[in-house]
Amino acid sequence: EIVLTQSPGTLSLSPGERATLSCWASQSVSGSDLAWYQQKPGQAPRLLIYGASSRATGIPDRFIGSGSGTDFTLTISRLEAEDFAVYYCQQYGSSPLTFGGGTKVEIK
Amino acid sequence: QVHLLQSGAEVRRPGSSVKVSCKTSGGAFMNYGINWVRQAPGRGLEYMGGILPIFGSTDYAHHFQGRLTITADTSTGTVYLELSSLRSDDTAVYYCGSQTMVPAALRHFMDVWGTGTTVIVS
Repeated sequence: EIVLTQSPGTLSLSPGERATLSCWASQSVSGSDLAWYQQKPGQAPRLLIYGASSRATGIPDRFIGSGSGTDFTLTISRLEAEDFAVYYCQQYGSSPLTFGGGTKVEIK
Repeated sequence: QVHLLQSGAEVRRPGSSVKVSCKTSGGAFMNYGINWVRQAPGRGLEYMGGILPIFGSTDYAHHFQGRLTITADTSTGTVYLELSSLRSDDTAVYYCGSQTMVPAALRHFMDVWGTGTTVIVS
């Protein structure tokens, strides 16, 4: 199975700053079949990005997905108060589906 | 717009089974794969398996094979997860997630999620 490693584990930033989250795959992810989710405490995950770089419906353009193969990045261009949360990557190119361990973006 | 309504919290003894439901509304239930993902307290997301109701096909993560059964009742638009031989480390929130952007497929990203069902094994 493809193991996804996210870094850093925690990112401490201030509103208005840029956040760069990484997701590395143990093998190449087929067809850039990688998604990013946001999860807030007590809530279900929310789809942000699919196909490595396509934004889901209603997702602000400050969320930017990029990458291919084994290296993927989620960039939040300017953090807003509601962006402080945990972010997960997920690959769906190979069975079984797998998730990364998550990156927590917290207020500095 | 598809909505997923999950059943309420459950408490079970070790060695028993639990069955959690996920009822769909507002969409073409048969056409979209539905996956189950769980999250243990303070931990990340773990894929368990999924079903594509239109074909009745299922997918299970190896970790759960033999203990997990996912079924769909097409008459009510409800998907079920049944997990047997429960252990304390099965304590988690169980989420269903639908692939409404990718019809007739298994093992994809999930764009609509249920609110989660807490299962406590103690």
